[in-house]
Amino acid sequence: EVQLLESGGGLVQPGGSLRLSCAASGFTFSNYAMNWVRQAPGKGLEWVSAISGGGGSTYYADSVKGRFTISRDNSKNTLYLQMNSLGAEDTAVYYCAKSGCSGGSCYSRFWGQGTLVTVSS
Amino acid sequence: DIQMTQSPSTLSASVGDRVTITCRASQSISSWLAWYQQKPGKAPKLLIYEASSLESGVPSRFSGSGSGTEFTLTISSLQPDDFATYYCQQYNSYSETFGQGTKVEIK
Repeated sequence: EVQLLESGGGLVQPGGSLRLSCAASGFTFSNYAMNWVRQAPGKGLEWVSAISGGGGSTYYADSVKGRFTISRDNSKNTLYLQMNSLGAEDTAVYYCAKSGCSGGSCYSRFWGQGTLVTVSS
Repeated sequence: DIQMTQSPSTLSASVGDRVTITCRASQSISSWLAWYQQKPGKAPKLLIYEASSLESGVPSRFSGSGSGTEFTLTISSLQPDDFATYYCQQYNSYSETFGQGTKVEIK
C-alpha cells in the first residue's frame, strides 16, 4: 500500500525558513518522480515543485523559484522541500504526491495528507 | 505559463443528475489533462488522467473527454459521495497548473 507522510510544518515568522519532509513507503521510491503541491486556506491547488526519480532534474513554480529547493534521499525513501524567505503568501497545506506518468508526462497520482505551514508574526 | 479555466465555479445538482464540468486551456495541451476530486479537509484524489483514462478503483460513472484546449468531466449519475470540489490540471509542461475548481453542491 502506497503511503506518503508529510512532516515539518508549523508556524514560522516572515522571512524565516522551514524544511518539509515526506516519508514514502509501499513502492520503489527511486523509480518515481515526486511533486509538492500546496493549498492556501480556502483556496485552490497550486503546483509548487517536482523532482525526477533520480533527483537529477528539478522544476519550480515561478512563485517559489529561488526560494524553495526540492530534493530527495532515495536511500531513506524521503522527499524534502527546503523553504526560505517565507512570506504570508506561502501559508498553505503542503502535499507531497507520487507521480504517475504516461507518454513522458507526469501527473500527481497519489497524495499524502498534507502538512500545514503558517507564516505569521 | 498555461492557464486553466474551469466552469462553472459552483454547481448545484441532485442525486441522480448528470453533471458536466468544463476545463479550458490557454494553449493546446494535447491530452495531458488530469481531474481530481477533493473533499473538505482531505487530500485530492486522482479520477482521470490523460484526459479520458479512468484511474483504477474510480467508479465508471466518472468519465473524461477532450483534447487540445477543451476538456470535460462528466458524472453520469451523481451519487451522495460525489459532492465535492473538482479540479482539472494540465501536465503538458513544467510548470503544471490547476484550474480554480468546481464545487458540486447539493441542490
